[in-house]
Amino acid sequence: NAGVTQTPKFRILKIGQSMTLQCAQDMNHNYMYWYRQDPGMGLKLIYYSVGAGITDKGEVPNGYNVSRSTTEDFPLRLELAAPSQTSVYFCASRYGNSPLHFGNGTRLTVT
Amino acid sequence: GEDVEQSLFLSVREGDSSVINCTYTDSSSTYLYWYKQEPGAGLQLLTYIFSNMDMKQDQRLTVLLNKKDKHLSLRIADTQTGDSAIYFCAETANRDDKIIFGKGTRLHILP
Repeated sequence: NAGVTQTPKFRILKIGQSMTLQCAQDMNHNYMYWYRQDPGMGLKLIYYSVGAGITDKGEVPNGYNVSRSTTEDFPLRLELAAPSQTSVYFCASRYGNSPLHFGNGTRLTVT
Repeated sequence: GEDVEQSLFLSVREGDSSVINCTYTDSSSTYLYWYKQEPGAGLQLLTYIFSNMDMKQDQRLTVLLNKKDKHLSLRIADTQTGDSAIYFCAETANRDDKIIFGKGTRLHILP
């Protein structure tokens, strides 16, 4: 198993550009999550999904969108990038009440 | 809403025990987790405890849970330089599927 795979690892965006952060897991996990981690800060939940076709907002959803058309994939979309979205983004997944498995993160800079 | 609080810094001499504390607000939390993050890396699960347990030991790690006070602690025995990292406490509530993280405690090892 590859676990949770995030692409790209790094990205620089200009203000107003859009992009999709990809996340895929091959463990047949039903729950998937997107977090952002700002420098020196903890993790804030952006969106999460309890299964294919179902998504819910977390603590900081504004400026982002997600979809969950398959069990494996949970992409995070930024439509109009802003400097406040400069952060490290982590995708995670779990099955039932098992602990979260994290990807290695995507480091995004918006200038 | 749910909230998880941790002190931000802890300095410990090499060989001593480290105790990292965490408080949470959601009394319906079913699982509580400790994750470790080394610089530039993702989050690695260290250990977790189910809410009906008081204590869990795993080699150098001991987790204590005081459900009445909503207090969780992580004790690392014989602290080594490799233990230098940020430690995150996280809770999962039974009534929804969010997993909420604290801001993390940065553990610094003194020679």
